[in-house]
Amino acid sequence: DIQMTQSPPSLSASLGETVSIECRASEDIYSNLAWYQQKSGKSPQLLIYYASSLQDGVPSRFSGSGSGTQYSLKISGMQPEDEGVYYCLQGSKYPYTFGAGTKLELK
Amino acid sequence: EVQLQESGPGLVKPSQSLSLTCSVTGYSITSNYWGWIRKFPGNKMEWMGYISYSGSTSYNPSLKSRISITRDTSKNQFFLQLNSVTTEDTATYYCARGRYLDYWGQGVMVTVSS
Repeated sequence: DIQMTQSPPSLSASLGETVSIECRASEDIYSNLAWYQQKSGKSPQLLIYYASSLQDGVPSRFSGSGSGTQYSLKISGMQPEDEGVYYCLQGSKYPYTFGAGTKLELK
Repeated sequence: EVQLQESGPGLVKPSQSLSLTCSVTGYSITSNYWGWIRKFPGNKMEWMGYISYSGSTSYNPSLKSRISITRDTSKNQFFLQLNSVTTEDTATYYCARGRYLDYWGQGVMVTVSS
């Protein structure tokens, strides 16, 4: 299975701060990577697919980048509603695998 | 609007089978891919498998031969069966659409306990 190493496990950001979350794959996943946000008590919501494509309805402060084995999610200007747990998912090979999650809190 | 909703028992005894239904509205399950994902206590997420628009399936090998995903196109529903459950199968189970899981159900919490 492809292992997804996500970092950091948690972080705290101030209002308006830019935040980055990283995912590293154990092999090349050819940009087949998605990012999700899960708020407390809610289902995960797709933010980014194919590494850098913004899902409809997602604020433009969210962006994704990367290639090969290294990917990142950036939030340009932390907002209170951005608190939650963020996950990456590789969709290159079955079984699809998730990162361990990053808990983001507002400082 | 595409909507998915999971249903099924919230409590299953060890060694028994877990059976869940995902009811889909606003989109035909004869298009796209339809998957099951679970979230364990403590945040770990696991992709369990999918059933495709044609009815073909792919499963996570970690679940070995315990898992089966089927569908009823007349009701626009697909199903998860997980056999021989243990306490380690306690999780919140989600159904979702597509390779990139763009629509999710609200999730159903399943506890395996005697």
